[in-house]
Amino acid sequence: AQSVTQLDSQVPVFEEAPVELRCNYSSSVSVYLFWYVQYPNQGLQLLLKYLSGSTLVKGINGFEAEFNKSQTSFHLRKPSVHISDTAEYFCAVSGRNSGNTPLVFGKGTRLSVIA
Amino acid sequence: GAVVSQHPSRVICKSGTSVKIECRSLDFQATTMFWYRQFPKQSLMLMATSNEGSKATYEQGVEKDKFLINHASLTLSTLTVTSAHPEDSSFYICSARDLDRGNSYEQYFGPGTRLTVT
Repeated sequence: AQSVTQLDSQVPVFEEAPVELRCNYSSSVSVYLFWYVQYPNQGLQLLLKYLSGSTLVKGINGFEAEFNKSQTSFHLRKPSVHISDTAEYFCAVSGRNSGNTPLVFGKGTRLSVIA
Repeated sequence: GAVVSQHPSRVICKSGTSVKIECRSLDFQATTMFWYRQFPKQSLMLMATSNEGSKATYEQGVEKDKFLINHASLTLSTLTVTSAHPEDSSFYICSARDLDRGNSYEQYFGPGTRLTVT
């Protein structure tokens, strides 16, 4: 079984400042990792995913994340945030070859960008 | 590709009535669909997993007689909230997975349905 911990429930940051949203996971098997963004009253949009290969993954809207196997982390970063990045961000994990089990989500981090 | 739609996007119903929410995979065959519930400012809570042509598997604590799930075709799953009560008011999100694709780990999410029971 897998679990995900998002260490910060809320992250306020000024516009054009860098941001890091932290995610740690637990799993007894190798994993796939995902970051999703949710804007108010909308569904989830995939930001980026780690499947294999390079541990630095680039996604949409200027976001990137780095897979660190030894620290079981998959932190999300953006060098300069915009007001439009204000949203809820979810980290999710899936075990490789885990059959038909659903993604396991963290509790989410609310990013608030301040003008 | 891999688009999932939900209908309706918003619904308001009276207490005691039933509401049906549809989840469709528009450009792929969804062998498996998942239904989630999300309370305000909280994460997604998995309600059930449905596989085409078989009974849904419900998570612990989810009443299967209240939340009826039907996955009758490879592109459509429905969630019916029976005898709805105000505490059923929530945001319901479905996702679909296509095991026939090479990237079977992917889950594609619908836009969600906001249910308000008055």
